[in-house]
Amino acid sequence: GENVEQHPSTLSVQEGDSAVIKCTYSDSASNYFPWYKQELGKRPQLIIDIRSNVGEKKDQRIAVTLNKTAKHFSLHITETQPEDSAVYFCAPKGVRGSARQLTFGSGTQLTVLP
Amino acid sequence: ETGVTQTPRHLVMGMTNKKSLKCEQHLGHNAMYWYKQSAKKPLELMFVYSLEERVENNSVPSRFSPECPNSSHLFLHLHTLQPEDSALYLCASSQALQGDYGYTFGSGTRLTVV
Repeated sequence: GENVEQHPSTLSVQEGDSAVIKCTYSDSASNYFPWYKQELGKRPQLIIDIRSNVGEKKDQRIAVTLNKTAKHFSLHITETQPEDSAVYFCAPKGVRGSARQLTFGSGTQLTVLP
Repeated sequence: ETGVTQTPRHLVMGMTNKKSLKCEQHLGHNAMYWYKQSAKKPLELMFVYSLEERVENNSVPSRFSPECPNSSHLFLHLHTLQPEDSALYLCASSQALQGDYGYTFGSGTRLTVV
């Protein structure tokens, strides 16, 4: 099955600075790499995803980069704002059991300090 | 609303009670999932359904019993739970089990076992 590690587990940045969260995975057959954001007391929401035939994808202030050779992908948030404070989860899609499924990382608590 | 609705939002039950969690999706998705989210732990996949057929049961104790009567509804029947089962139970759906599709989560049921 897929082993997923996410670093750091907590991250504090000043408003306006950039934040980077890294996710490493073990299943070389994984080919779909999403990031989810979960605000306090709310449901996880998909914020950006990338497929294995692409190295980078950007959506306004957030971007995801993928290194398939090294089996890691990263979430980049630029010009951070207080509303970016949340827990972020990576969830690469690899083989688990009888089907390909998302395996969630342990999460990164991002705090943006005003 | 996200298109995935979970009821109830909060549930307190004794260890000898029987209760059910309900999930309904209005997105036309074919796959549905139950996740358990405990404090300080990654999201734990419990059950996977594709077109009403259970695809995966991740070694979940028999005191949790899922039911998927049609592709829009998913239930989690609970009986003789333990205090350590207290957690946020999240339902999710995706367009299909296979393929690179993100998951849409419901808001969850906060379960407390006393």
